[in-house]
Amino acid sequence: DVKVTQSSRYLVKRTGEKVFLECVQDMDHENMFWYRQDPGLGLRLIYFSYDVKMKEKGDIPEGYSVSREKKERFSLILESASTNQTSMYLCASSLGVRISGNTIYFGEGSWLTVV
Amino acid sequence: AQKVTQAQTEISVVEKEDVTLDCVYETRDTTYYLFWYKQPPSGELVFLIRRNSFDEQNEISGRYSWNFQKSTSSFNFTITASQVVDSAVYFCALTFYNTDKLIFGTGTRLQVFP
Repeated sequence: DVKVTQSSRYLVKRTGEKVFLECVQDMDHENMFWYRQDPGLGLRLIYFSYDVKMKEKGDIPEGYSVSREKKERFSLILESASTNQTSMYLCASSLGVRISGNTIYFGEGSWLTVV
Repeated sequence: AQKVTQAQTEISVVEKEDVTLDCVYETRDTTYYLFWYKQPPSGELVFLIRRNSFDEQNEISGRYSWNFQKSTSSFNFTITASQVVDSAVYFCALTFYNTDKLIFGTGTRLQVFP
């Protein structure tokens, strides 16, 4: 079974802190994604990566950056956390961009509260 | 515009009732993929089904069934004889050829009471 693991389930950070959310997948997937989930808005794509050291902006990249130094790991970075970044963050992965209609697998989510 | 609409924000049923969750999508692409995910209180999105735009066959998996109709741009999900364990938020999502970026609906919260 595919396993997408998010290292932190619950975090509380202060405004202005730098925050790292880590995600690891164990199926050698090429694609990795970070989504944000808010009530009434569904899930929105923040950033995604099709390969190591590659990254592309999603729909709401402002205030975030990402890092993909290894194929299995995709980190989401909040350079200076703000209260409007309080949310649930979900990491996902899928097989590869050259294959369409992949199943996209999600982690358990990270609940971030910025105070 | 590419969009997924789940008009039902919340549905409550009593155990053993059948329930249908609606999903309507918009796209001009001819090749696309539709998904349903279940999100229990634990938070993880659990993959339920993927359907491509060329396959309009309905699918049944145990108590779950899906009705895909391109004519009405709908991909509805029915749970037969619902159980308390079915209580969750259900998301419908859409993606396209050569990308796995998902466009999600806003979700439908299903509560099944004993």
